[in-house]
Amino acid sequence: AQTVTQSQPEMSVQEAETVTLSCTYDTSESDYYLFWYKQPPSRQMILVIRQEAYKQQNATENRFSVNFQKAAKSFSLKISDSQLGDAAMYFCAYRRGNDMRFGAGTRLTVKP
Amino acid sequence: DARVTQTPRHKVTEMGQEVTMRCQPILGHNTVFWYRQTMMQGLELLAYFRNRAPLDDSGMPKDRFSAEMPDATLATLKIQPSEPRDSAVYFCASARASRNTGELFFGEGSRLTVL
Repeated sequence: AQTVTQSQPEMSVQEAETVTLSCTYDTSESDYYLFWYKQPPSRQMILVIRQEAYKQQNATENRFSVNFQKAAKSFSLKISDSQLGDAAMYFCAYRRGNDMRFGAGTRLTVKP
Repeated sequence: DARVTQTPRHKVTEMGQEVTMRCQPILGHNTVFWYRQTMMQGLELLAYFRNRAPLDDSGMPKDRFSAEMPDATLATLKIQPSEPRDSAVYFCASARASRNTGELFFGEGSRLTVL
């Protein structure tokens, strides 16, 4: 089964600074999707950013960007100009077909 | 806004009781997932359906859990009998079975507490 690993249980960043969350995954497939989801205290799972594996260009959504290294099976999330509202659990996810797996999550704290 | 709707939002019950959680996927989405979230195990995939047919329920304890999609607008997850270790947040998510985005849309979850 595909596994997703987030090695940082907790991260902290100063408001307006930049933070990078790490994610690695294991797969033998070449065509798949990768995602970062955010889960604030409201517990709603919110999509932050997606990356199709066949695209070499790294995805970007406003202050959020990824560093996708397909050969290394690495998919990190960079949050620039961190805001207090970015504080949440962040989950990395892998999807191939109808199977989607999540990492254990990284709790991000934003300090004012 | 189209959204996945889950009921109940919160449920407290006693051990041995039957619990049914319901999910209304986004109209037009033909793939439905059930996940369980706990502090210890994180997000675990319990089951998923495509076009109402169960494709994989290997993550679900078969002796007490059952998942069904009686129609395209309703998915259910039932626990009978419930046990304290079933206490968790249960999420339903839906998606289109296409390669366009791959995104899953989540409901707000059902928090279950079994005493």
